[in-house]
Amino acid sequence: EDQVTQSPEALRLQEGESSSLNCSYTVSGLRGLFWYRQDPGKGPEFLFTLYSAGEEKEKERLKATLTKKESFLHITAPKPEDSATYLCAAPSGSARQLTFGSGTQLTVLP
Amino acid sequence: NAGVTQTPKFQVLKTGQSMTLQCAQDMNHNSMYWYRQDPGMGLRLIYYSASEGTTDKGEVPNGYNVSRLNKREFSLRLESAAPSQTSVYFCASSEDGVPDEKLLFGSGTQLSVL
Repeated sequence: EDQVTQSPEALRLQEGESSSLNCSYTVSGLRGLFWYRQDPGKGPEFLFTLYSAGEEKEKERLKATLTKKESFLHITAPKPEDSATYLCAAPSGSARQLTFGSGTQLTVLP
Repeated sequence: NAGVTQTPKFQVLKTGQSMTLQCAQDMNHNSMYWYRQDPGMGLRLIYYSASEGTTDKGEVPNGYNVSRLNKREFSLRLESAAPSQTSVYFCASSEDGVPDEKLLFGSGTQLSVL
């Protein structure tokens, strides 16, 4: 069974304190690993897609990396506005059926 | 603003009542989706429509029906609401529905079934 597992469930950081979020997956024939950001009361917003082990993508203070079994979302010198829930997802079974992880709720304190 | 619009934003139903959640996108996307989000369980696909005139079941379709009214609109209907359907519902769209395509989500409908 395809699974996407995120850890930790919640993370509190001080402003400027760098850290990483983890997404491990067991999906056969990976066709992309997605990261989304979700603010309270809103829908998820696309951040990155990674396709192959070793690939990295960056956006502002965020950098996503991918290995054969997991992906990391590195947050460098976070700011309070980076507080959100970060979701990862991978296509499984039908190409249109994304399996989402349950998310990491990030809080950055000023 | 261009994007995906869902109505209503909030709804409270009694067990057994019916309702329809509406979704419209103005991105000229071909594919549309309905997800539900429950605490600790992540987003789960209810139904999707790869293109106008087609619909398919996702992971959790029981208790729901959908209609792809035209290219812009995709509605989700609860015929007889149950407390287990209390959730936040998200509509999403994508250009072609290929595996590596990003989804554009609406802002969600929070549904409580008493």
